[in-house]
Amino acid sequence: KAGVTQTPRYLIKTRGQQVTLSCSPISGHRSVSWYQQTPGQGLQFLFEYFSETQRNKGNFPGRFSGRQFSNSRSEMNVSTLELGDSALYLCASRSGIQDRYTFGSGTRLTVV
Amino acid sequence: GENVEQHPSTLSVQEGDSAVIKCTYSDSASNYFPWYKQELGKRPQLIIDIRSNVGEKKDQRIAVTLNKTAKHFSLHITETQPEDSAVYFCAAHTGNTGKLIFGQGTTLQVKP
Repeated sequence: KAGVTQTPRYLIKTRGQQVTLSCSPISGHRSVSWYQQTPGQGLQFLFEYFSETQRNKGNFPGRFSGRQFSNSRSEMNVSTLELGDSALYLCASRSGIQDRYTFGSGTRLTVV
Repeated sequence: GENVEQHPSTLSVQEGDSAVIKCTYSDSASNYFPWYKQELGKRPQLIIDIRSNVGEKKDQRIAVTLNKTAKHFSLHITETQPEDSAVYFCAAHTGNTGKLIFGQGTTLQVKP
């Protein structure tokens, strides 16, 4: 069974640009969550999607958005990038309410 | 708001010794508590988890205990080995929120 796949693995962007990250969950998993990991703030919840609907959102500005497609793949978009957006962005999938979260390897975003 | 405090931030032990990492959560509705191990440059990997209807769970050298009254849970690693060296994160999850609240992480170093 393939794991959670995130693309791209690495990304360098300039301040003010926008970026889209992709996450393909484990086959059959309908829930995808996104997290931002930085040395200073640790792992912080961005949002969760289930069956194409955003069910929960963390305390991030509106520049951070996401969506989920009918095949459960999810994308995360960050507009007007700031230097502080440099982080490892992780997604996690699970099949249902009680199931465990499996993380992808993440996308390392560097904003210069 | 929801919060998970994790201690210590760093822990150094000799090979063969035990290691204990402690977490305290704030949301009394939290009902699922996973522990993740993250090696440098890699994804967080689930090593053990416990649900709120259980007080203790063990898997070979790893155990987790939960005290719901005190809102406190701990990770115990016995007979530590150099390959246990990594950053360990605790997390708390509430119901169907799809959101994990993470502790700040503990860097464990096991000296040969």
